[in-house]
Amino acid sequence: EIVMTQSPATLSVSPGERATLSCRASHSVDTNLAWYQQRPGQAPRLLIYGASSRATGIPARFSGSGSGTDFTLTINSLQSEDSAVYYCQQYNNWPPWTFGQGTKVEIK
Amino acid sequence: QVQLVESGGGVVQPGGSLRLSCVASGFAFRSQGMHWVRQAPGKGPEWVAFIRFDESYKYYADSVKGRFTVSRDNSRNSLYLQMNSLRAEDTALYYCVKNVVVVVKGANFYLMDVWGKGTTVTVSS
Repeated sequence: EIVMTQSPATLSVSPGERATLSCRASHSVDTNLAWYQQRPGQAPRLLIYGASSRATGIPARFSGSGSGTDFTLTINSLQSEDSAVYYCQQYNNWPPWTFGQGTKVEIK
Repeated sequence: QVQLVESGGGVVQPGGSLRLSCVASGFAFRSQGMHWVRQAPGKGPEWVAFIRFDESYKYYADSVKGRFTVSRDNSRNSLYLQMNSLRAEDTALYYCVKNVVVVVKGANFYLMDVWGKGTTVTVSS
C-alpha cells in the first residue's frame, strides 16, 4: 500500500497571498496524483489530476506540480472561499486508492 | 449535471447490518465504474470499495473485506453497499463516488471525480 503524507497539517495565510501545500508518496506514483478540496460540511471536490491538470471549472489560481514521490499544490491570490481541507490521493497503484491526512488552509 | 444521491444510513448496533444505496443521474451510469469512500468524524477519506461498470471485478479495502459487498443495478442507475457485521470503527459518512478512466501512455488509471453528499452510518450500542 502506498502511504501519502501531507504537510503542514495547518496553514494560515492572508487573503491575496500564496499557499503552498506538500504531499509525499511512500513509493513513486508517477504523475497519477490528484488533489481534492473539502470545504466545511461539504463533500470533497476534485481540483487537480495528473499532478498538474485542473479539473473542469477549477480557477487558474490553483496549480499542481511534481512527479514520482513529491508533489505541490499552490493556491495563488488566496480568497476566503479557499478556506478548506485539501487532500492528495494517489491512483497509480490500486487497490487501495490512498489519501493523505489533509492540510487545513485557514484565512488569517 | 452529474448527481449522486446516497441513502440508507442510520444508527445500528455492533454486529448489525445496513444497506446503502446511491442513485446516479446526469451521466452514462452503465459505462462507469463506481466507488464507495468513507470519512470518519475529523479524519481524512478512506476508500472502501470499487465496482467496474459491468461488475466484472470488485475490490475492497482490507478493513471491510468479507463483511461488505458492493453491487449495482444499471437498469436503475443505482449502486449499493451491503454492510454486515458492523463495528464501531465503521462509523463514518459514506460517499458514493463516480470513477473516470484516465489514459496515460496507453495505460488506464482510475480516478475519482464526482462525489455525492454522503449518508451517515453510526455503529453504537
